Order: sequence, then structure tokens, then C-alpha cells
Amino acid sequence: DQQVKQNSPSLSVQEGRISILNCDYTNSMFDYFLWYKKYPAEGPTFLISISSIKDKNEDGRFTVFLNKSAKHLSLHIVPSQPGDSAVYFCAASQIQGAQKLVFGQGTRLTINP
Amino acid sequence: ETGVTQSPTHLIKTRGQQVTLRCSSQSGHNTVSWYQQALGQGPQFIFQYYREEENGRGNFPPRFSGLQFPNYSSELNVNALELDDSALYLCASSLGASGGVYEQFFGPGTRLTVL
Repeated sequence: DQQVKQNSPSLSVQEGRISILNCDYTNSMFDYFLWYKKYPAEGPTFLISISSIKDKNEDGRFTVFLNKSAKHLSLHIVPSQPGDSAVYFCAASQIQGAQKLVFGQGTRLTINP
Repeated sequence: ETGVTQSPTHLIKTRGQQVTLRCSSQSGHNTVSWYQQALGQGPQFIFQYYREEENGRGNFPPRFSGLQFPNYSSELNVNALELDDSALYLCASSLGASGGVYEQFFGPGTRLTVL
């Protein structure tokens, strides 16, 4: 039972353009959502998060949008840079209780010069 | 400030053997979570330890067990290894356990191969 899904295994974007990564979830109890970035041979690193009381959170080039009715979130990266090439994981959790993160399968983003 | 470290980096075992993986949490963090990441998948939550007590467990059998020590470092033990246990095992540390959101900092992982 995949509670968090990233349906695009890979995405290729030209440098300077916008990258949009998508994520869907099924569990309506999730109230906190995160994006992690992972380079080869490194652990995932936190990028940006959003709680369910908001529909948008912005941090520099990164913006996360949450659509609770559609159970959908997206990560926008503008402008995309070569260093953004990595695997991006969407994760969800509940604020109450243990900090159990439920991850999607990941999307490999490649930024082309 | 030292980040999360894990040892060993790589490990090869055979079916039926037992393995112990180690994790040193980031300075000041009292919570450690373990995740299993199979090839091509996202990390899956195994369990979490808060102040030396198990504080939540994912859908993993009892042959996956853990410990957290007074210095908040942690071990993951897997008994009776199966081929499907081959994966990257990630440790994440954070400050606090419940009633809030605390950023989890991940180590680089231990790659376990079961033959």
C-alpha cells in the first residue's frame, strides 16, 4: 500500500527553466509534508517543508505547493541549476506521534546545460 | 558540529547470518530513526528510538531490532538475513520525538548485500 506516490521516475529540464516535481498521497491523516534531495553516496538532505494549514511555502528558488483536496503536492525549482541534478523524495508525516516519515519512490531530476 | 555517521559503509553477508549496523547521531540529538531503502524505492521506516526507548515501528518483522545507547548512538540488528534484506540502511537523527516537527538529518547509509 503506497501511501505516497511519485509517478515520474525521472525528469529532464534545461538549465534556467522551471522544474516541477509532483507527489500524491492517500492518507488524509498526514499533516506535514517534506521534500528531500539525495546525491549518490550521500544521505537524503532536507530541502523544504509545508504543514497542512498552508498551501504554499517558499524558500529561495524552491517553492512547495499543497492541494489538500486533491491530496497533491508539488515542488517548483526556479531557475533550475546543474547542481540541482539529484533524486528528489517527497515525504509525509503526522505532527502528533513519532516522527515517522513515509517516502515516495523518488524522481531523478537531470538539469541539462 | 559532527553530522550523522554510519558504519560500516558496505557489508556483504550470506542468508541466515546476523548483522549489526551502527549510527552516531548528530550532536545534541536524542532521537534516532532507521530506514530501509531498496533499489529504486524510497526509504521505508523501520523504527525510531527516543531516549533509549522504541518510539514507533514500521511494518518490519521482529528479526529487525534496535538499541539506543545513553549517548544517543544506535544499532540496528537483523537476524536470519534474507535475500530481500539487501538494501541501503539509513539512520536519521533529530531533536525531540513527538508533538512537533523536527528536521531529520540523515547519515550516508550502510549498503548491505545478502548473498
